[in-house]
Formats: sequence, C-alpha cells, structure tokens
Amino acid sequence: DSGVTQTPKHLITATGQRVTLRCSPRSGDLSVYWYQQSLDQGLQFLIQYYNGEERAKGNILERFSAQQFPDLHSELNLSSLELGDSALYFCASSLQAGTDTQYFGPGTRLTVL
Amino acid sequence: AQTVTQSQPEMSVQEAETVTLSCTYDTSENNYYLFWYKQPPSRQMILVIRQEAYKQQNATENRFSVNFQKAAKSFSLKISDSQLGDTAMYFCAFMKLTSNTGKLIFGQGTTLQVKP
Repeated sequence: DSGVTQTPKHLITATGQRVTLRCSPRSGDLSVYWYQQSLDQGLQFLIQYYNGEERAKGNILERFSAQQFPDLHSELNLSSLELGDSALYFCASSLQAGTDTQYFGPGTRLTVL
Repeated sequence: AQTVTQSQPEMSVQEAETVTLSCTYDTSENNYYLFWYKQPPSRQMILVIRQEAYKQQNATENRFSVNFQKAAKSFSLKISDSQLGDTAMYFCAFMKLTSNTGKLIFGQGTTLQVKP
C-alpha cells in the first residue's frame, strides 16, 4: 500500500458524459500528479499540482481539468467523454516537486461506452 | 525533449534465474533521476528502484540492481533469483531534476513472465 488513495476504482459511463476522479496523496506529500495509461498511448503525464498550484501540464486535453484543494486532495474532471478516453488513470504524490520519488495510487479504471 | 525506450516488449525467465531488462534514454540534461516501476496484474504501480544521475554507484534493492551507464544513456534492471511474484510489466522512467516540476517520462514497458 503506497498510502495514495483513489476513488472510484472503476467507472463506467457513456459518451458525452462528465466524471470526476478523486485522489488523496500520502500524508505530508504536497505534490500530486495525474497520469493516463492506455493501450495505444502507454503511460502519459497529464498534469501536476503542488500545494494547490498548477506546476506542469502534459498532453492533457482541453476537455480535462484538475485542481488541488486546501486539504491537498486532488480531483481530475473529464468532460464530453469519448470512447478513446477509456483508460486507467493514476494519481501519484511526492513530498516536494521535482526532487522526490512519486508513489502511485491504485488507479481508476474508466470505461466509456 | 526526453525520450525513454524499452526495446524488449516481452521476456521470460525460469524461476530462480537472473534476467536483465534494458532501457535507454535520450536527454540533454545533466541532472536527473531514473526509475524502474513494476506493474503486476493488479495494475498497481510499484517503485522498484531509483538511481540519481550524479551518483556513480549503481543502486541496489535486495534482488534488484541496476547497471547505469550515463555516457551511453543506458539504465538496465537486473533481477536475481527470480520469483513467481516478479511476473509483471516493468517500466523504466526518467525525471528531470528540478525544483518546480517532476513529471515522469515512461518507456513502453517490458512484460516479464517468470516460469516455474
């Protein structure tokens, strides 16, 4: 157990819908990262937050957004869902940004039908 | 931009034997970290080992060790005394050392099967 929690574990929804994925970092970690794992794209970095502020963006679609709240938990919002958004979404956390090992949560499996 | 390449999509090894997984990377940075993560069938991403580029000594964690060749930009993982529980997909990852961001860049992964 890495100490990073993600909910829900599985999510099945329809095209055009909107979903929210939630992540709680390890106790004391200030930085949260979101990654997407799909068969065709592999593991890709989406976005990073540090102590409530956005720090880095990867190949994140405009339909996707995220935020980190004062209690340091983070949410990833996916809207206007398409079949191609079906993937495993991981949250990871680290103590600081850019100098520490990232520990991953168990992931949320999103299926868009 | 940095890239990470794992040229072995699949590998297999007999239980108790040794196997080496390959990883090469491309970067113009001098300060960075390299990682191996393991993803078993449960899909959990588990840290196996970390190497700081400024350290010449290769990292070791129990049965797992790396061969880090900075000039060649090579970072291989050696698993000794392979166990059935080592069956998983293994990802090599690069992280530029900064004070602001820490995104991981992953290779495509190597699926390792340990056979009894």
